[in-house]
Amino acid sequence: SQKIEQNSEALNIQEGKTATLTCNYTNYSPAYLQWYRQDPGRGPVFLLLIRENEKEKRKERLKVTFDTTLKQSLFHITASQPADSATYLCALTGGGNKLTFGTGTQLKVEL
Amino acid sequence: GAGVSQSPSNKVTEKGKDVELRCDPISGHTALYWYRQSLGQGLEFLIYFQGNSAPDKSGLPSDRFSAERTGGSVSTLTIQRTQQEDSAVYLCASSLALLAGGDEQYFGPGTRLTVT
Repeated sequence: SQKIEQNSEALNIQEGKTATLTCNYTNYSPAYLQWYRQDPGRGPVFLLLIRENEKEKRKERLKVTFDTTLKQSLFHITASQPADSATYLCALTGGGNKLTFGTGTQLKVEL
Repeated sequence: GAGVSQSPSNKVTEKGKDVELRCDPISGHTALYWYRQSLGQGLEFLIYFQGNSAPDKSGLPSDRFSAERTGGSVSTLTIQRTQQEDSAVYLCASSLALLAGGDEQYFGPGTRLTVT
């Protein structure tokens, strides 16, 4: 069956360090993989999209990698700040416009 | 407004009653999606609209759930004979539908439904 797995345990890191979040999937061959941020009581907000033929994508302090052989995406936040504390969701499609989301990983950046 | 809006923001209803949740997408977005998020859970896909038609209703959990979209714009999600397990946050998103699976989705703030 199709599965998207993200670390269910919260990730606690110190301000200034790099946070790395993992998204693993099985039985998908996605053309795209997306990352979203969700704050408590709010809807998710789009961050980055990476295509299957791209190994890496960057946007400001964010970096996403996509390894279709390992079926894994890594999401990095460099020079992390307390304002980066949120839940981060990966999402991909098994076909068509429907996106399937992982359950998300909660990130806490401490002073 | 510029973003996706949803109403009501909160709804408390008694078990067995019907509820209607409304979503107003970003103007010009042809695709509209409904998701459900239970406490501490991920987003569960419910239904997707392209224009006024719904090519993918695969996520609707039972026939008590239905949705429609009129004029390629506003959508209503209706839950009949609500049950306590329907309690969740219902999120709506819209997108331009330019790339299958590659669209950035814009989410509304959600409607928190509580069935007592």
